[in-house]
Amino acid sequence: NAGVTQTPKFQVLKTGQSMTLQCAQDMNHEYMSWYRQDPGMGLRLIHYSVGAGITDQGEVPNGYNVSRSTTEDFPLRLLSAAPSQTSVYFCASSYSMGIGATFFGQGTRLTVV
Amino acid sequence: RKEVEQDPGPFNVPEGATVAFNCTYSNSASQSFFWYRQDCRKEPKLLMSVYSSGNEDGRFTAQLNRASQYISLLIRDSKLSDSATYLCPYSEDTGGFKTIFGAGTRLFVKA
Repeated sequence: NAGVTQTPKFQVLKTGQSMTLQCAQDMNHEYMSWYRQDPGMGLRLIHYSVGAGITDQGEVPNGYNVSRSTTEDFPLRLLSAAPSQTSVYFCASSYSMGIGATFFGQGTRLTVV
Repeated sequence: RKEVEQDPGPFNVPEGATVAFNCTYSNSASQSFFWYRQDCRKEPKLLMSVYSSGNEDGRFTAQLNRASQYISLLIRDSKLSDSATYLCPYSEDTGGFKTIFGAGTRLFVKA
């Protein structure tokens, strides 16, 4: 099993550009989430989903959109990139809410110039 | 008041030392608890599950105390490779179910 797969691994954007970070899991997990991690900081929750068709905001949702049309996929969209969104983004999944370990993708290093 | 309290460290210990971390939480909706480690510039990875009966995996021991609302991680005979950040996420149900990871505890093991 591949686990959680994120693409791309690296990306440079110009201010104002939009892009989608892809995330897919093959573990049939209900719960998926996106975090960002700035240098020397902890993970901050952006958006999460408890199942297909259901999404909700985390701690820092502004500037990001998500959708969950299938159990497997949970893309994160940056609507209009800003330098403040320069960060490492991690997608994660777990079996269910509060139950079962969380598995992370390898991360996407995003730089906005 | 934070929902989870974790000493950010850093803990600087010599090889072979025993080191312990705690996470105290309040109002967690989690039914299960875990410790994760994160190496520099890498994704967090599951280290071990935490059971109230105690869970031992080689040099690592994890414990859950639901009554006092804390989990602990004990590392015996520290190795250089144990240098990492150790995370204890918690889940909260405040109209939406969220799993929150704090900044973690940084450990440096030195020769």
